This record gives sequence, C-alpha cells and structure tokens, in this order.
Amino acid sequence: GALVYQYPRRTICKSGTSMRMECQAVGFQATSVAWYRQSPQKTFELIALSTVNSAIKYEQNFTQEKFPISHPNLSFSSMTVLNAYLEDRGLYLCGARAGRGAETLYFGSGTRLTVL
Amino acid sequence: GQQVQQSPTSLVLQEGENAELQCNFSTSLNSMQWFYQRPGGSLISVFYNPSGTKQSGRLTSTTVIKERRSSLHISSSQITDSGTYLCAMERWGGRALIFGTGTTVSVSP
Repeated sequence: GALVYQYPRRTICKSGTSMRMECQAVGFQATSVAWYRQSPQKTFELIALSTVNSAIKYEQNFTQEKFPISHPNLSFSSMTVLNAYLEDRGLYLCGARAGRGAETLYFGSGTRLTVL
Repeated sequence: GQQVQQSPTSLVLQEGENAELQCNFSTSLNSMQWFYQRPGGSLISVFYNPSGTKQSGRLTSTTVIKERRSSLHISSSQITDSGTYLCAMERWGGRALIFGTGTTVSVSP
C-alpha cells in the first residue's frame, strides 16, 4: 500500500536555531508534496506546495527564506524551519499526492516541534 | 479571513447519541474532504466527497457544492469517535488542502 513516512516524530530546538523534517513516500510516486503547520489550539495552515519540475508555491505569510523546501525526486521531500522561534512551534505535516487526477492525499504522521 | 468555517467548535456527546458537524466555505470549491485527527495528531481520511451523499458505516457526509457547505453525520456515537474532525477544500487542483477550523468531539459513556 501507499504510505508516507515522516521524521522525526518529535524534535526540540533552541530559539534561533533551525531544524529539518523529512517525508518519504512509499508505494507511490509523490508528484506533489504539500506542507502544513498546526499551531497549538489551531487548525492546519497550508505552508507551501512542491511539485516536481515546478516552482514551489508558498501561501501568504510563509516564505522560502523561512521554510525552504527540497523535493529532489518522486519519493522524498524535506522542509527546514530556519531560525525557529516560539511562534513556530506546533505539528508539521506533509501530504503527498501522485500524479494529476489522483484523488488521494497521503499524510505523514507529523513532526511535533517544540522551541525552547 | 478563514475560508473554511466549521461548527460547532466542540461537541460533547453521550455514547449512542447522534451528531451533525457542519462545514461552510467562503469561496467556490470543486471538492472537499473530511478528516479525523487522532489525539496524537495524525490525520485519517474519512471522506472524499465532491458532491452528494456518501456513507461509511455510522458516518454520512453530504456536500452541496452550489451552497458551499458540507456536513458530517455521526450516528450512534461511540467513545472511539472522540477526536477532532476537520473538513478541507482543495487548493491548487487538489494537490493541497485548506483546512477548516475543526470540531472537537468528546463521547462519554
């Protein structure tokens, strides 16, 4: 079956440092990968969408300078939170989809970021 | 502003009661989905429901595209139904989602 492995599951970083999270697609080709953040007591916000061979699209309030994303092939994507501060804490989720026309989005289990 | 609003924000049920969760969209939409978020945070897809009514066990989803709304009905609720339910509309041709504000359901014995 199709799965998305996301790691690390939990991470703690000091304020002002950076951390990277990764997603690995298994059983399908992840043509597009979207990254989300759920801040405490809030819903999931879309950060950006990465599609292989296309420019990464960032939603308003999120930038490449803060959340650089790498999507080098059809099975792997990573996102880094640069200079993390308290407001960056929360649950980060990746969601991957196969090619155009595929209905199903496969989500990773999330990376919970704590910033000290 | 928030494009996808859910109501109620939270719901407390006694086991066996029915519940209806609402989702309203402020923009036109092509399709939407319902998710269940486990207490640990991971998401489980409940329904992919572009339009009409779909049923899966005790859950029924009804989407009316032209009215920009969708509902999720839980019948005969069980303790294991407790958690957060999120609706989401498609963004960028379905490759990403805009999530609703969520409804937290708590079912007690």
